[in-house]
Amino acid sequence: DAKTTQPPSMDCAEGRAANLPCNHSTISGNEYVYWYRQIHSQGPQYIIHGLKNNETNEMASLIITEDRKSSTLILPHATLRDTAVYYCIVRPSNTGFQKLVFGTGTRLLVSP
Amino acid sequence: ETGVTQTPRHLVMGMTNKKSLKCEQHLGHNAMYWYKQSAKKPLELMFVYSLEERVENNSVPSRFSPECPNSSHLFLHLHTLQPEDSALYLCASSQEADTQYFGPGTRLTVL
Repeated sequence: DAKTTQPPSMDCAEGRAANLPCNHSTISGNEYVYWYRQIHSQGPQYIIHGLKNNETNEMASLIITEDRKSSTLILPHATLRDTAVYYCIVRPSNTGFQKLVFGTGTRLLVSP
Repeated sequence: ETGVTQTPRHLVMGMTNKKSLKCEQHLGHNAMYWYKQSAKKPLELMFVYSLEERVENNSVPSRFSPECPNSSHLFLHLHTLQPEDSALYLCASSQEADTQYFGPGTRLTVL
């Protein structure tokens, strides 16, 4: 019951920007957009999240469209270690322990 | 290093064995979670603990028994498991219902 749609796979050359899209057309006003990634057989790693405004941290930037129906995760200078499955998740911002619904994500392959 | 550790990292057990998975968080969080990730499947939430009280149990079979003795530690006790229980078991923690941070996981193989 994932509420997001992502391309199954993407390729990126090392050193270039990786732009990972996510559609969440049914997002509600109180739902955040979260991004995690999972490197093979490891635990998911939190990357970034946002509600309405674009966000940037040391790992990535998150661009959310004005209507909030889609977003893009940007890795500005991809490295080989960024090869992973990237998950876009929407979850409510209200209290209550909402489970994170991980879909199938986007498998990003960064090549030399 | 996320501040959430899990031991052991790998475990092989027979169907009649009893074993326990351990999770410890060093983030000062007050909620902890167990997830299961089977091959080729998305993560499934198993249990949620808040302030050491179980607040969610997603229809998990009784052969999985969680324990949360304090806000920093979470255990998953396993007994009479089936081969289909082989999976990556992930622990996570959060402050209230905020961002969840995951441990590295325990890769469990049931023979």
